[in-house]
Amino acid sequence: QKEVEQNSGPLSVPEGAIASLNCTYSDRGSQSFFWYRQYSGKSPELIMSIYSNGDKEDGRFTAQLNKASQYVSLLIRDSQPSDSATYLCAPSGSARQLTFGSGTQLTVLP
Amino acid sequence: KAGVTQTPRYLIKTRGQQVTLSCSPISGHRSVSWYQQTPGQGLQFLFEYFSETQRNKGNFPGRFSGRQFSNSRSEMNVSTLELGDSALYLCASSLGGGPLETQYFGPGTRLLVL
Repeated sequence: QKEVEQNSGPLSVPEGAIASLNCTYSDRGSQSFFWYRQYSGKSPELIMSIYSNGDKEDGRFTAQLNKASQYVSLLIRDSQPSDSATYLCAPSGSARQLTFGSGTQLTVLP
Repeated sequence: KAGVTQTPRYLIKTRGQQVTLSCSPISGHRSVSWYQQTPGQGLQFLFEYFSETQRNKGNFPGRFSGRQFSNSRSEMNVSTLELGDSALYLCASSLGGGPLETQYFGPGTRLLVL
């Protein structure tokens, strides 16, 4: 079992729709969870971070965390073509390092 | 505030050579982590430095090494390059490297080994 698993892509949604990205992790010692967005040929940039169970909203983005289920998700509302990128889930374990999932490639169709 | 900078941005080497990559963290950040990104393996953690000390190391061979200077700038070195070392090498900085802290990534160095 991989340490971090993300829903397989690629994922395509029409403009204005909700994109749902999912992630499960195996390290129960993970204390914080990060979602990064990576455009092709670029480096990852932080979208959201979440530390406590429940929802955290920031503009069009909502992160959801359920530590009991070892599950974290990212919802993108009113998806825009500029949201087309690879989204990386990265729990931060007790060793401080980020463990990345393989990423979900999202395409928002105009 | 300036972001994380990495030099060089692109590099072409041949098998057997060695390479040194440089990373300057965001001003005030003392923790620097290095990652390797390849299409097959994704983003993998190499090592993390804080106050000139390696605090954590990923599962990479000893050919991969690093160091950090007193001004928090960091270098990583890969000796005896192999074709499989072709990758995007990313460094990320954070204030103290704590598990709740955000890591900010530099633009990366793209290494091609021929």
